[in-house]
Amino acid sequence: AQRVTQPEKLLSVFKGAPVELKCNYSYSGSPELFWYVQYSRQRLQLLLRHISRESIKGFTADLNKGETSFHLKKPFAQEEDSAMYYCALRTGNNRKLIWGLGTSLAVNP
Amino acid sequence: DSGVTQTPKHLITATGQRVTLRCSPRSGDLSVYWYQQSLDQGLQFLIQYYNGEERAKGNILERFSAQQFPDLHSELNLSSLELGDSALYFCASSVRGASGEETQYFGPGTRLLVL
Repeated sequence: AQRVTQPEKLLSVFKGAPVELKCNYSYSGSPELFWYVQYSRQRLQLLLRHISRESIKGFTADLNKGETSFHLKKPFAQEEDSAMYYCALRTGNNRKLIWGLGTSLAVNP
Repeated sequence: DSGVTQTPKHLITATGQRVTLRCSPRSGDLSVYWYQQSLDQGLQFLIQYYNGEERAKGNILERFSAQQFPDLHSELNLSSLELGDSALYFCASSVRGASGEETQYFGPGTRLLVL
């Protein structure tokens, strides 16, 4: 079955510390993976997608097909990074996104 | 602001009732998605419409239905409401980029409380 797992419901780090939000997926084909972010009282918005290989707000994520992972990383967390982060998987031509349950990141001063 | 609008912002109703949530996609976007976000279930995909036709179905209950109209706005109808239907309901619309990648843009959501 196609599935996205975000093992941490809550991740708490101090400002300036490195942060890694884990995402593992289950899919036998060629996946498309995304990270979405939801800041407090704001709507969900796309943070980055694996095919773009971009860095947004200092965050990067590398698709590791061997480990079926797409972990989100930032070397130095900022307080404004505190938000809910969702990993999502799109499979094949199906437009449906399969979502993880999300990880709430709290960056403490 | 992503350009996707949803009304109402908040809705409080009683069990057994029926409500309609409305979504207007971004100008030019043909696809509309509906999601339910609850505390214990996270974000759950409900249904997708593309240019007026149902394209994909997720974990949508039989008590729920949706449609997309010729002007591309969409409505999600929730009937025989139960306490467990209390959640944030998001709508998203999507556009396909030049490289074929698709981005979903989310609305602000409708918060439904069933008492």
